Amino acid sequence: GQNIDQPTEMTATEGAIVQINCTYQTSGFNGLFWYQQHAGEAPTFLSYNVLDGLEEKGRFSSFLSRSKGYSYLLLKELQMKDSASYLCAPNDYKLSFGAGTTVTVRA
Amino acid sequence: GAVVSQHPSRVICKSGTSVKIECRSLDFQATTMFWYRQFPKKSLMLMATSNEGSKATYEQGVEKDKFLINHASLTLSTLTVTSAHPEDSSFYICSAMTGQANTEAFFGQGTRLTVV
Repeated sequence: GQNIDQPTEMTATEGAIVQINCTYQTSGFNGLFWYQQHAGEAPTFLSYNVLDGLEEKGRFSSFLSRSKGYSYLLLKELQMKDSASYLCAPNDYKLSFGAGTTVTVRA
Repeated sequence: GAVVSQHPSRVICKSGTSVKIECRSLDFQATTMFWYRQFPKKSLMLMATSNEGSKATYEQGVEKDKFLINHASLTLSTLTVTSAHPEDSSFYICSAMTGQANTEAFFGQGTRLTVV
């Protein structure tokens, strides 16, 4: 089975940096996904980490430590449109999601 | 990127009837498809994992006879909500993976089901 833990909510101001942590315990592991979901919409892909380390994609970066069962998503230069839920999903050959972290960006 | 089309986007049905939701991968072969349910302001709850040509694997607590999943081809999976009741009203989303290493899961647009 899976056990995925993320903070429920985070608030930050425009232009700031936010780090969303995710810890997980899975029976198998084939990488970890991060998705963004706006209310009422389907999730959109942000990143996929298979190996340990940091992957950077523009304003978004994701880090993985397999030995610690830990990942984080870093959002830089926050914009109002970044207000959304961010979902951590370790892939153990089935794709389950954590409860998600709701990020609110304020002006 | 790859496209997954989910249909219908919204459906209203009467209590006791069945509703079929389709999930199609338009430009790739989806060896694995996932079906999720999402309540308002809650996260995605995995209902089942289906691999083409084999029976779906349901998560604990999900009724197999209630939520029928068919993955008959590499581009189509269907979820049928049988004898729907108001408590089945929810947002249902599918996602599909190619089975190749290091590739993302692509999501359909979701189906808003309302049972009256």
